Amino acid sequence: AQSVTQLDSQVPVFEEAPVELRCNYSSSVSVYLFWYVQYPNQGLQLLLKYLSGSTLVKGINGFEAEFNKSQTSFHLRKPSVHISDTAEYFCAVSLTGNQFYFGTGTSLTVIP
Amino acid sequence: NAGVTQTPKFQVLKTGQSMTLQCAQDMNHNSMYWYRQDPGMGLRLIYYSASEGTTDKGEVPNGYNVSRLNKREFSLRLESAAPSQTSVYFCASSEPTGTPRRNEQFFGPGTRLTVL
Repeated sequence: AQSVTQLDSQVPVFEEAPVELRCNYSSSVSVYLFWYVQYPNQGLQLLLKYLSGSTLVKGINGFEAEFNKSQTSFHLRKPSVHISDTAEYFCAVSLTGNQFYFGTGTSLTVIP
Repeated sequence: NAGVTQTPKFQVLKTGQSMTLQCAQDMNHNSMYWYRQDPGMGLRLIYYSASEGTTDKGEVPNGYNVSRLNKREFSLRLESAAPSQTSVYFCASSEPTGTPRRNEQFFGPGTRLTVL
């Protein structure tokens, strides 16, 4: 089975500061990688995905992520966060596009 | 389009009671999924259905059954609820490989279940 590790369970950051949410996965074969965001009392919404091609992936709301195969990482970044970015963020991996494995989540809190 | 809908939104059960969680999608997706979300554990796959008429176990299938009633609907049944099944349940659907938005999962709003 695949595993996804989100190294930080909680990340506080001041408004307009940059942020990086870390994600590592375990796999010896090619994978699809995803970041999802969950706002309070809502379902998950896709931020961005890496299927193939360019290792730098841009998503919605100014987020981007970089796929690093040698380090098996897919860290999420944003150069300047807003209050509205406060949410739970989940990294996920899939081999086949049928079974998805999620990390335990990182709670991002943006401080005014 | 409503996307993925789930009913009910909230439910409280007593140990041993049974219930069915309903999920429907109107995006003509082939694949559908049931997850549970627990604090500190992220989302864990219970069952999935790659197409109408097929279902497969995920990571945590024990205590659950599913039915892929047709292409739109995928239900999750708890035959004899236990306190360990207290969780938030999410249904999701996705397009198959070969389509523009392949592998993107669309999630419903969730069902909060408490088993006393």
